[in-house]
Amino acid sequence: GAVVSQHPSRVICKSGTSVKIECRSLDFQATTMFWYRQFPKKSLMLMATSNEGSKATYEQGVEKDKFLINHASLTLSTLTVTSAHPEDSSFYICSARDFAGDSNEQFFGPGTRLTVL
Amino acid sequence: GQNIDQPTEMTATEGAIVQINCTYQTSGFNGLFWYQQHAGEAPTFLSYNVLDGLEEKGRFSSFLSRSKGYSYLLLKELQMKDSASYLCAVMDSNYQLIWGAGTKLIIKP
Repeated sequence: GAVVSQHPSRVICKSGTSVKIECRSLDFQATTMFWYRQFPKKSLMLMATSNEGSKATYEQGVEKDKFLINHASLTLSTLTVTSAHPEDSSFYICSARDFAGDSNEQFFGPGTRLTVL
Repeated sequence: GQNIDQPTEMTATEGAIVQINCTYQTSGFNGLFWYQQHAGEAPTFLSYNVLDGLEEKGRFSSFLSRSKGYSYLLLKELQMKDSASYLCAVMDSNYQLIWGAGTKLIIKP
């Protein structure tokens, strides 16, 4: 099956700093990638849909100036958490669809656990 | 609005069978997914149903009734490693996944 990688897997940063998370589709081209956030014991919450070569579409309540998304190529999308604060500590997961495939399955990256001190 | 309902938590015994139900109301339908998620890990794909009926894959089976807006995931011969959260998700008319809150399955020896 298709593989999606995320980097880093875990990051600890000081309050006020920015953190960049990378999401890569390793063996397929992903015109669309999705960024999710998950708090402990809660379900996945879609933050934004990232489209290659265009601006991301953010869900209601997600600050686009705080969570910067760049999808510069068909295999890479990045999420930058700017001026991170402790309340941004969460599990961030990306996923991608292989539009050339024969299913609508979304393939998930392994996730990035962000801890803001 | 769009809504996915599934039980919050279920408990079952090792070796037994458990059925996790999911009901949905969405704007359009392009398939229903079941994912397994262990604590601290990303979801992993279990099954995909787009037509009515039962899809069997080893110990896991998934059923769909589009007219009833209903699906279930059936897990047989339960193993301790099956303890996880099981997420039901429906792809709507915009090909966006609508997620349920997940069902935490606890397996007891």
